[in-house]
Amino acid sequence: GAVVSQHPSRVICKSGTSVKIECRSLDFQATTMFWYRQFPKQSLMLMATSNEGSKATYEQGVEKDKFLINHASLTLSTLTVTSAHPEDSSFYICSAADRGQKTQYFGPGTRLLVL
Amino acid sequence: DAKTTQPPSMDCAEGRAANLPCNHSTISGNEYVYWYRQIHSQGPQYIIHGLKNNETNEMASLIITEDRKSSTLILPHATLRDTAVYYCIVCPTGNQFYFGTGTSLTVIP
Repeated sequence: GAVVSQHPSRVICKSGTSVKIECRSLDFQATTMFWYRQFPKQSLMLMATSNEGSKATYEQGVEKDKFLINHASLTLSTLTVTSAHPEDSSFYICSAADRGQKTQYFGPGTRLLVL
Repeated sequence: DAKTTQPPSMDCAEGRAANLPCNHSTISGNEYVYWYRQIHSQGPQYIIHGLKNNETNEMASLIITEDRKSSTLILPHATLRDTAVYYCIVCPTGNQFYFGTGTSLTVIP
């Protein structure tokens, strides 16, 4: 199956700093990428949909100025958590849809801990 | 919002078939049924998807009822490594996934 990578796999940062998470489709071109957040013992919550070359579409309740998404190429999307606070600590997961868009392939996730 | 209902948990004996049900009574004609699983602290893994015909691959079989209002994922010979949370999702291809709470499957030795 298609491979999606994320970097870093885990990050610890101080409150008030910004953190960038990369999501890459390694063996296919992804016109659409998605970002999810998962809190402990909960399901995945969709944050935003990212289309290559255009602005991301955010789900209701997700602050676009806090969670900056850039999808500059067909293989890379980035999520920047700006001015991170402890409540932003979570598991962030991306997925990528191939050009045929029959399904989504998920990355391994990034665990963010804000102190 | 998720359009699916799954039992919160199930057990299955190792080596036996695991049958995981999913209700999606409000499914639309252009919506596919997708199944993913998530092993603790990992990203979801694609298993299988289908529109109206039954599907089979190396991992599992997907049985969709004729009215498409429910489906069953079948793992033919469950192993301990199949212990995971299994998510059933319905949506048109290329669209956003809204995850429900899934079924936590425990395979018992």
